[in-house]
Amino acid sequence: QSALTQPASVSGSPGQSITISCTGTSSDVGGYDYVSWYQQYPGKAPKLMIYEVSNRPSGVSNRFSGSKSGNTASLTISGLQAEDEADYYCSSIRSTNTDVFGGGTKLTVL
Amino acid sequence: EVHLVESGGGLVKPGGSLRLSCAASGFSFSNVWMSWVRQAPGKGLEWVGHIKSKTDSGATDYAAPVKGRFTISRDDSKNTLFLQMSSLKTEDTAVYYCTPNRGPNDDYGFFHWGQGTLVTVSS
Repeated sequence: QSALTQPASVSGSPGQSITISCTGTSSDVGGYDYVSWYQQYPGKAPKLMIYEVSNRPSGVSNRFSGSKSGNTASLTISGLQAEDEADYYCSSIRSTNTDVFGGGTKLTVL
Repeated sequence: EVHLVESGGGLVKPGGSLRLSCAASGFSFSNVWMSWVRQAPGKGLEWVGHIKSKTDSGATDYAAPVKGRFTISRDDSKNTLFLQMSSLKTEDTAVYYCTPNRGPNDDYGFFHWGQGTLVTVSS
């Protein structure tokens, strides 16, 4: 039961756009439109940023967007801001009726 | 407003047991599946398991590392979720969070999180 694959780190300058990928298999990311993305600051609980591939919960900035192609989901943050510096995790349900998270990506705003 | 409060964490020796609780409010607890998610120090999020609502059978599913050692249960009359952990290993050391599987419009995702409770397994 390996985790979904995310890059360990990404970085970008203020105002730029960055994309974080999340690669799974046809048994999870590719098989269901139940991919979510979470933002987490050190010592804090995670916060849902995107659900069901591309939907934003109320209150989440429209600078955050999600998409999926085949077995890979993506989180894009446009107009990067200093406050976006955090860890980001993807998750998906699996055909085994379980959930799985990605290993996490540390976003650095230069 | 949704409120989740985990409790019961602490220091336990390898091989020991511990029971975590999660008091929930602000949503229809009995109608939703509930999950436990953990995070080891300096590591990523790891899904531990979930329990379905009783109308969906109340069955449980677990991640491979905890299957056979952890048991999730619920008391819908008290809006409380439990995680019984036994045969604890040092690698179970983590902050444990409870979270409902769906949001206000039955959308799939972990919309709400508590503050977590720290479990430390050490001799």
